[in-house]
Amino acid sequence: AQKVTQAQTEISVVEKEDVTLDCVYETRDTTYYLFWYKQPPSGELVFLIRRNSFDEQNEISGRYSWNFQKSTSSFNFTITASQVVDSAVYFCALSGYFGNEKLTFGTGTRLTIIP
Amino acid sequence: EPEVTQTPSHQVTQMGQEVILRCVPISNHLYFYWYRQILGQKVEFLVSFYNNEISEKSEIFDDQFSVERPDGSNFTLKIRSTKLEDSAMYFCASSEQTFGYEQYFGPGTRLTVT
Repeated sequence: AQKVTQAQTEISVVEKEDVTLDCVYETRDTTYYLFWYKQPPSGELVFLIRRNSFDEQNEISGRYSWNFQKSTSSFNFTITASQVVDSAVYFCALSGYFGNEKLTFGTGTRLTIIP
Repeated sequence: EPEVTQTPSHQVTQMGQEVILRCVPISNHLYFYWYRQILGQKVEFLVSFYNNEISEKSEIFDDQFSVERPDGSNFTLKIRSTKLEDSAMYFCASSEQTFGYEQYFGPGTRLTVT
C-alpha cells in the first residue's frame, strides 16, 4: 500500500520568509513518481512538479525548489521569499507503476503568508 | 492553454436521487480519473478509465457509482442513489499517458446531498 504523510497541518509565515513543506512517503514499488499540487482558496488543484524515483536531482523553478531524498523517503518543497499569493493548501502525492497509477495524496499543508 | 472542464460547478440534490457529473478532459489525453475531496480533507482516488473501461477503482467506488465516456469528449460520473456522505468536491483529471505522467485537474463539482 502507498502512503503519503504531511505532518505539518498548518504553517504561517510572514511575507518574504522562506518556508519548507515536508512530505514523507511509503511505497513498495521500486519505480514510483512524486508530485506536488497547490490548492488555492478558489479550490482547483494546480500541478507544480513531478519527479520519478530514479531522479534524485533537486529542482529549482523560480522561488520554488524541491529536495528529493530517497534514503529518507522524503520529497520536501521550499518556497523562498514567500508572497501572499503563495497562500494555499499544498498536497504531496505519490503514484506507482503498472496497475498502480492512481495518485495517493497526503492530507495537505495549509500555508498562510502574513503580509 | 488546454484545460479540463467540469459541469456543473455546484449541484444540490436530495438523498436517494441520481446525479451525473460531467467532465471534458484535455483533448489529446487518454487516461481519465475521478477523485473526491470531502470538505477540509485529503483528495481521494475513486476510479481511473482508459480505452473505454475501468482500469482501477477504490473501495469507495461501489455499485452506486459508474463512469462512462458517452462520446469522444465527455467523461461522466454517475451516482445512482446519493447518500449524505457523498457530499464532497468531485474532481475530474486527465493525463496524456500513465505511469507517472502529471494529471491535470478540472475545477471540481461541489455536490451537496440534503
